Amino acid sequence: GQNIDQPTEMTATEGAIVQINCTYQTSGFNGLFWYQQHAGEAPTFLSYNVLDGLEEKGRFSSFLSRSKGYSYLLLKELQMKDSASYLCAVSTDSWGKLQFGAGTQVVVTP
Amino acid sequence: NAGVTQTPKFRILKIGQSMTLQCAQDMNHNYMYWYRQDPGMGLKLIYYSVGAGITDKGEVPNGYNVSRSTTEDFPLRLELAAPSQTSVYFCASSYSSENLSYEQYFGPGTRLTVT
Repeated sequence: GQNIDQPTEMTATEGAIVQINCTYQTSGFNGLFWYQQHAGEAPTFLSYNVLDGLEEKGRFSSFLSRSKGYSYLLLKELQMKDSASYLCAVSTDSWGKLQFGAGTQVVVTP
Repeated sequence: NAGVTQTPKFRILKIGQSMTLQCAQDMNHNYMYWYRQDPGMGLKLIYYSVGAGITDKGEVPNGYNVSRSTTEDFPLRLELAAPSQTSVYFCASSYSSENLSYEQYFGPGTRLTVT
């Protein structure tokens, strides 16, 4: 079956670094997305990986290993506004259909 | 650009009633999607469309119908509402390409309660 796993919750201190892992097993693979979702709001796009390796975008970086079915999202210099749910999603075909994980709630404490 | 808009923002339905959730986008995207999100869960794909006149089922299509008569609009119809359809519904759209996937832009969501 199809499976996308990520931890339920992570807590970190302001200014610290947090790494959110995502493992996947899907019937097709056309890239992996990370979205941020604040409570009561819509998801917003953070990053996209289709080839192995690291993509860096400011304080956020995302890594992909297709052979291991593994990705992580790295959040550096954490700020209070980074408290949100982070969703790992795999695009399973060229129509862009996404299979989502349940999300990781990141809590940033002062 | 307004992006992706959804109406209504909130709705309470009685069991057995029907309603249409509206979704529109002004980015000229060919691909559009409907998802539902239950509390503490990720999003699940209900239906999607790759262009006007073309729709297909996603992971959880039962109890729903869609149509796509224009590029801009992608309404979702609930017939005979059931408590299991209580959820937050998100519409999304994206640019299209033969081989690559592109980021999806999400609307603000419709919070639906069926009692």
